[in-house]
Amino acid sequence: AIQLTQSPSSLSASVGDRVTITCRASRGISSALAWYQQKPGKAPKLLIYDASTLESGVPSRFSGSGSGTDFTLTISTLQSEDFATYYCQQFNSYPWTFGQGTKVELK
Amino acid sequence: QVQLQESGPGLVKPSQTLSLTCTVSGGSISSGAYYWSWIRQHTGKGLEWIGYIHYSGSTYYNPSLKSRVSISLDTPNNQFSLTLSSVTAADTAVYYCASEGVAGSAFDIWGQGTMVTVSS
Repeated sequence: AIQLTQSPSSLSASVGDRVTITCRASRGISSALAWYQQKPGKAPKLLIYDASTLESGVPSRFSGSGSGTDFTLTISTLQSEDFATYYCQQFNSYPWTFGQGTKVELK
Repeated sequence: QVQLQESGPGLVKPSQTLSLTCTVSGGSISSGAYYWSWIRQHTGKGLEWIGYIHYSGSTYYNPSLKSRVSISLDTPNNQFSLTLSSVTAADTAVYYCASEGVAGSAFDIWGQGTMVTVSS
C-alpha cells in the first residue's frame, strides 16, 4: 500500500497566518490526491481533489499543489474556523490510504 | 444533493459480527455514478478506508481487513451495508460511509459517522 506522510503532525498558528502542510507519498501517485478538513466530532470535509482543484463552496484561501510524490496544502490567511485537523488521501492505487493528519491549533 | 446516514448497533461483543447500514437520500444508489465506501477512524487516530461497492456489484476491500469484511447493496431501500466478522477491541472506531464519484478523485459526500464499541 502507498504510504502518505504528512508534516508537520501539528502546528500552532495565529489568525491571519499563512499555513503550509505537506504530504509525501511513498511512490508516485501522479495528481491523484485529495485534502480534507476535519473538526472534532464531525466527518471529514473535502477541500481539494486532483491535487489542486478546489471543491465547490470551499474558500479560495485554500489551495493545493504538487504531483508525483510531493504535495502541499496552503491556507493563505488563516481564519478562526480553519483550526482543525487536515488529512491527505491518495486515489492512485488500491487500497486508498490517508496521511496521519496535521492538527492546526491556535497559538 | 445526496446525503448519507449510518445506522446500526453501537455496541458489539467480541468475536461477533458488526453490521452497519448506510441510507442514501437525495439520489439513487443504482445510478452507477458513485462508488459507495466505508471508512473508519479509531479514537484520536487517522482514517482507514475499509472498501467499496459499486452498483454493478464490483467490490474492493482493504487487504488489511479483507478476510473479515463484506459490503453489499440493498437497492430497493437505497442502502448499502458493512459486515465485519470476528470483531475485537481493535475494531472499536467511528465508522463512516462515503461516496466517491466514478472518476475516482475524492470522497465528496460523507455520513455523520457512527461510533461502534466492541466490548463484552
